[in-house]
Amino acid sequence: GEDVEQSLFLSVREGDSSVINCTYTDSSSTYLYWYKQEPGAGLQLLTYIFSNMDMKQDQRLTVLLNKKDKHLSLRIADTQTGDSAIYFCAESMGSSYKLIFGSGTRLLVRP
Amino acid sequence: NAGVTQTPKFRILKIGQSMTLQCTQDMNHNYMYWYRQDPGMGLKLIYYSVGAGITDKGEVPNGYNVSRSTTEDFPLRLELAAPSQTSVYFCASTKGSTDTQYFGPGTRLTVL
Repeated sequence: GEDVEQSLFLSVREGDSSVINCTYTDSSSTYLYWYKQEPGAGLQLLTYIFSNMDMKQDQRLTVLLNKKDKHLSLRIADTQTGDSAIYFCAESMGSSYKLIFGSGTRLLVRP
Repeated sequence: NAGVTQTPKFRILKIGQSMTLQCTQDMNHNYMYWYRQDPGMGLKLIYYSVGAGITDKGEVPNGYNVSRSTTEDFPLRLELAAPSQTSVYFCASTKGSTDTQYFGPGTRLTVL
C-alpha cells in the first residue's frame, strides 16, 4: 500500500539545525519531495530528490535518502524563525505523477 | 503567468447544498489534481486529470465529481454537501516528468 509517515512536531532553537524525518512504503516512487506550508497558505516546493540519488544539497537544505530503509530526511541548517511552518514529505506515484503526502511535521523555531 | 488560481477563497454551505470549486492554470499543464486537507492532516487526492477529456479517481473521490473540458480548467463539483466535506481544497498542476506540482492558494469550505 501507499503510506507516508512523519513525526508530528519538532521544536528547535534559532541558529540550530533541524532534521525532519519521513518514511515511505512504495519502493517504486520516482521522486520524493519536501513542501513547506505556512499558516493559511498553500504549499511551496522546497526541494526534491530523484530516487537514484542519496543526497541533495540546496543552500541551507540537505535531503538524505536511504532507499533500503525507505527513509527520507530534510536538514535545515542555521534554522531561522521564518522557517517555522509545517513541512510535508510526498512521494510521486506512477505515470500520472500523483503525490502521496505525509501528515506533516510542524516545526517551531524558538528565538 | 498567474500560475494556478482557485475561486472562491472561502465558502460556507448548508448540508445538502451544491457548489463548484473553480481551478484554472495558465501554464499549459496537462496534469491537474484536486486535494483536500483536513485539519492537522496531509493532503489527500480526490480526483486527477492527465489531459483534457480524461479524469480519474484518487484516494477519496466519494461525494465529488470533476470534468476537464479544456486544458486550463478543472472544476470540482460537490453535489450534496455534507459536514465531512469541511476542509481546505487545493488544486495543483504539473507538466509531468521531472516537474513539480504547482499549487493554488486553496479554498476553505465549511459545511454546516
